[in-house]
Amino acid sequence: DIVMTQSPDSLAVSLGERATINCKSSQSVLYSSSNENYLAWYQQKPGQPPKLLIYWASTRGPGVPDRFSGSGSGTDFTLTISSLQAEDVAVYYCQQYYTTPFTFGQGTKLQIK
Amino acid sequence: EVQLVESGGDLVKPGGSLRLSCEVSGLTFSNAWMSWVRQAPGKGLEWVGRIKSKTDGGTTDYGTPVKGRFTITRDDSKSTLYLQMNSLKTEDTAVYYCNTDSLVRNLWGQGTLVTVSS
Repeated sequence: DIVMTQSPDSLAVSLGERATINCKSSQSVLYSSSNENYLAWYQQKPGQPPKLLIYWASTRGPGVPDRFSGSGSGTDFTLTISSLQAEDVAVYYCQQYYTTPFTFGQGTKLQIK
Repeated sequence: EVQLVESGGDLVKPGGSLRLSCEVSGLTFSNAWMSWVRQAPGKGLEWVGRIKSKTDGGTTDYGTPVKGRFTITRDDSKSTLYLQMNSLKTEDTAVYYCNTDSLVRNLWGQGTLVTVSS
């Protein structure tokens, strides 16, 4: 199975500041024939199911604010929130869908400083 | 409006069985690839498995911890997804979510709680 490792496990950022979450996969999730990275980011708020934020490593999902961006390729990826808002407090997960079983990172808890 | 409603969660003893259901409305269920994801209390997300649409073969894939014990099926006539769980272990205790296995229309239910305890 592909192992997904996120860092840090938790993060506290001031309102309006940048938040950066990293995700590393144990093998490349870049599909060479399409040049697409099979990597998604999810946001989960307390008591709610997850919400898909980013797919193909950098494509925002419908209705996702443009302060959320994804980057990276191969085995190293980053989720960036450019200007943290109060409603962004949540746990964030990366997931690879390159090969089954699809696997999630352990999650990063984002809080307000 | 699309709705996914899970049901069937319960308290069950180790070694027991349980079947979860996920009733879907508001989309063409027969065309949808569907997945189950679980979350143990206070823990992260774990992919359980998925089933493709029948037109795409209807095949299933499973996460390593549940392979051989869990089975995903679908009844397109009832727009319902199922998760049959056998030989349950205490570590299977979790909220189980169904979701559409789609990037552009990724929709989730609210989950159903399965507790495995003696």
